[in-house]
Amino acid sequence: QVQLVQSGAEVKKPGSSVKVSCKASGGTFSSHSISWVRQAPGQGLEWMGDISPMFGTANYAQKFQGRITITADESTSTANMELSTLRSEDTAVYYCAREGMVHAPFFASWGQGTLVTVSS
Amino acid sequence: EIVLTQSPGTLSLSPGKRATLSCRASQSVRSNYLAWYQQKPGQAPRLLMYDASTRATGIPDRFSGSGSGTDFTLAISSLEPEDFAVYYCQQYGSPPWTFGQGTKVEIK
Repeated sequence: QVQLVQSGAEVKKPGSSVKVSCKASGGTFSSHSISWVRQAPGQGLEWMGDISPMFGTANYAQKFQGRITITADESTSTANMELSTLRSEDTAVYYCAREGMVHAPFFASWGQGTLVTVSS
Repeated sequence: EIVLTQSPGTLSLSPGKRATLSCRASQSVRSNYLAWYQQKPGQAPRLLMYDASTRATGIPDRFSGSGSGTDFTLAISSLEPEDFAVYYCQQYGSPPWTFGQGTKVEIK
């Protein structure tokens, strides 16, 4: 069973950027895509984008196009998500999640979540 | 984008009762690529079901999934104390992958 461990909580100013990391262990990192999903306080889940570590190709939800960059480093089994031009509405818990089967993006493994607070 | 609508918003039931949760899609979900998750406060979601009706590893058989096309159901045959949580459906048939807004199952 793959384990995903995320970086710690962040407090950011509006207009700045945040980078959240997600380190995988216990499985083959490159074989399965990693997605990023966020959850605003008291709200539901929102898919932001994903990356195939094997091919290095990323896909983004239209809502975040131009503000999000997802990368993966096979040498460290780490995926990263950077979100720029932060606003208060970006305050949320950000999760990384690994697809359960190759090319089947339901999410069998989740990171513990990283709280990002955007406040002046 | 496929919009998933879950109902009811909140389900109030006693332990031992049967729970039935609905997830309706705005258009047909390709190959019934629909998953269900359980989330408890302060925790990450936990995969319960995928491909509409396949239980994930370690999920007890009191959980069952059914449905096809645009209408899907998650049933819990007899609620245990640990089943009181929020449940989300997610489609992965057509990008972008989308989630329902959730159904809270609370103790009556």
